[in-house]
Amino acid sequence: DAGITQSPRHKVTETGTPVTLRCHQTENHRYMYWYRQDPGHGLRLIHYSYGVKDTDKGEVSDGYSVSRSKTEDFLLTLESATSSQTSVYFCAIKPRDRGINEQFFGPGTRLTVL
Amino acid sequence: DQQVKQNSPSLSVQEGRISILNCDYTNSMFDYFLWYKKYPAEGPTFLISISSIKDKNEDGRFTVFLNKSAKHLSLHIVPSQPGDSAVYFCAALIGGNQFYFGTGTSLTVIP
Repeated sequence: DAGITQSPRHKVTETGTPVTLRCHQTENHRYMYWYRQDPGHGLRLIHYSYGVKDTDKGEVSDGYSVSRSKTEDFLLTLESATSSQTSVYFCAIKPRDRGINEQFFGPGTRLTVL
Repeated sequence: DQQVKQNSPSLSVQEGRISILNCDYTNSMFDYFLWYKKYPAEGPTFLISISSIKDKNEDGRFTVFLNKSAKHLSLHIVPSQPGDSAVYFCAALIGGNQFYFGTGTSLTVIP
């Protein structure tokens, strides 16, 4: 257990509404990631962060923004949700003190956009 | 464009036999490869990894093989156990932070 929590765990919203998902970690890891998992696509990187206020885009960043104002929190925002953003969203951290590049994942947030 | 591919969506194996899960990639710049296991309603968990400078890494019942010339890696599970039934994702790393995942293979181990 890498001390990662995601909130909410489930959310149903309507097209056009803003949505923010939260990832919280308790172990002061520098690297944090947001992925989405969809059938036929596996996990795809949306955005990642390498420190407070330091973020970068992944392969499917369009329609998403992120913020990291504190080490422990990484927020993913859908400014205007669309049905194509219905997915399961996973947050992950990568411990920098490890000698390998493994990531630890949170439990996921299931988002449904109607 | 999928840079990491798992062409078998599912695999069924008898308990005690070997499970072989395959993964192909297209980007020769990937320098690290990982396998994750995922149960329903949970996040993926790390299983085993291999650096691009090696061709084999073993951890208990799990062995990962890397064939760089073929851009292919495989995960062997011996012996397979019912608790191994899950979805397995391979992943490739480039530049230390960009991870690319395959689409997953659902393994069922039949008791």
